[in-house]
Amino acid sequence: AQTVTQSQPEMSVQEAETVTLSCTYDTSESDYYLFWYKQPPSRQMILVIRQEAYKQQNATENRFSVNFQKAAKSFSLKISDSQLGDAAMYFCAYRTTNAGGTSYGKLTFGQGTILTVHP
Amino acid sequence: DGGITQSPKYLFRKEGQNVTLSCEQNLNHDAMYWYRQDPGQGLRLIYYSQIVNDFQKGDIAEGYSVSREKKESFPLTVTSAQKNPTAFYLCASSIDLGQGGPTTEAFFGQGTRLTVV
Repeated sequence: AQTVTQSQPEMSVQEAETVTLSCTYDTSESDYYLFWYKQPPSRQMILVIRQEAYKQQNATENRFSVNFQKAAKSFSLKISDSQLGDAAMYFCAYRTTNAGGTSYGKLTFGQGTILTVHP
Repeated sequence: DGGITQSPKYLFRKEGQNVTLSCEQNLNHDAMYWYRQDPGQGLRLIYYSQIVNDFQKGDIAEGYSVSREKKESFPLTVTSAQKNPTAFYLCASSIDLGQGGPTTEAFFGQGTRLTVV
């Protein structure tokens, strides 16, 4: 079964600085999708960035970028020029693409990392 | 506007009662999911469905049941067998992976806060 691990329960960063959130996962699949979601105090889940495992190029979305290391099964999120509005809980997620398998389409989340941004 | 609607926003249940949480989407998504979130914790998968009339148990299915009679709807029943149901419940939907395309991520509803009284 796929598992997703976020080893940092809490992180903090100064405004305008850079912070990296860690995520590792366990899978025997070769093709899958990875995501980072943000959950602000409103509790609405917001997609931050996605990565297809078959793409070697790391995904970027404005100030957000990932470091995808497929062999190491690592998927970290880097937030550059941190802003107060980035304060939230961040979740790493894995979606299986094992067509025909019993877990086809299963979407599994990590435990989350609470990010605090200091002014 | 397309989206996912969860209702009610707040729900109170007496011990021993079954309650049903509603989740409706008009995004034409095949896949739907139910998650439970406890305070300060991650999302744990309860059930998921990739197609109408079919669903799979997630990691914490005990004490819960679902149905998927329509593509748009995926209601979750919290039964009396669930001993600690107080939590925040999130419903999500996504396109089927076989359709490909960039929008493989899940879209979430606003959540239902269930409290046992």
